[in-house]
Amino acid sequence: EAAVTQSPRNKVAVTGGKVTLSCNQTNNHNNMYWYRQDTGHGLRLIHYSYGAGSTEKGDIPDGYKASRPSQENFSLILELATPSQTSVYFCASGDAGGQDTQYFGPGTRLLVL
Amino acid sequence: GEKVEQHQSTLSVREGDSAVINCTYTDTASSYFPWYKQEAGKSLHFVIDIRSNVDRKQSQRLTVLLDKKAKRFSLHITATQPEDSAIYFCAASTPNYNVLYFGSGTKLTVEP
Repeated sequence: EAAVTQSPRNKVAVTGGKVTLSCNQTNNHNNMYWYRQDTGHGLRLIHYSYGAGSTEKGDIPDGYKASRPSQENFSLILELATPSQTSVYFCASGDAGGQDTQYFGPGTRLLVL
Repeated sequence: GEKVEQHQSTLSVREGDSAVINCTYTDTASSYFPWYKQEAGKSLHFVIDIRSNVDRKQSQRLTVLLDKKAKRFSLHITATQPEDSAIYFCAASTPNYNVLYFGSGTKLTVEP
């Protein structure tokens, strides 16, 4: 079974503060993804990566940066957090791009006050 | 880009009945259509998928149908059980883009 872990699992941040969400996968998958889930919107893609050193913009990248320092790790960075970024964030990994199964982490619940 | 729609936000069935969840997509180049299940308070996990070279795929109580002409695909669950209660997300992907486009989810409730 594929293993994707996320930290922290819950986070409370202040408006204007910096938030870093971390994701680790032990499946040696090339591709990793960051999504946010909001009621009524399903999952929306923020950033994704094809491998170490690469990051690509997804559908809603504004206000977010991403970093892929290694095959295993993919971070999502909110430099100046805003209340509109309150959401549940999921990391996923997979191979074969979008044409194969993605394995999701447990999610991070972020509240920006 | 691709747009995937799930028109049913909720669906309620009685235990033992069948459930059908429908999705539509816009990009004729889409060729991969997975379904994911999210139980309450948990993450998503893969349940079944279909590729555009077939129009039907079955796995135990789950069947996915694909109508490329109508740009529509559906998940059929037979003999529903309470543990089938969850949010089901459909998604689509094209060969040119290494991403999945998700629908907004359908909350299935199986009532005893």
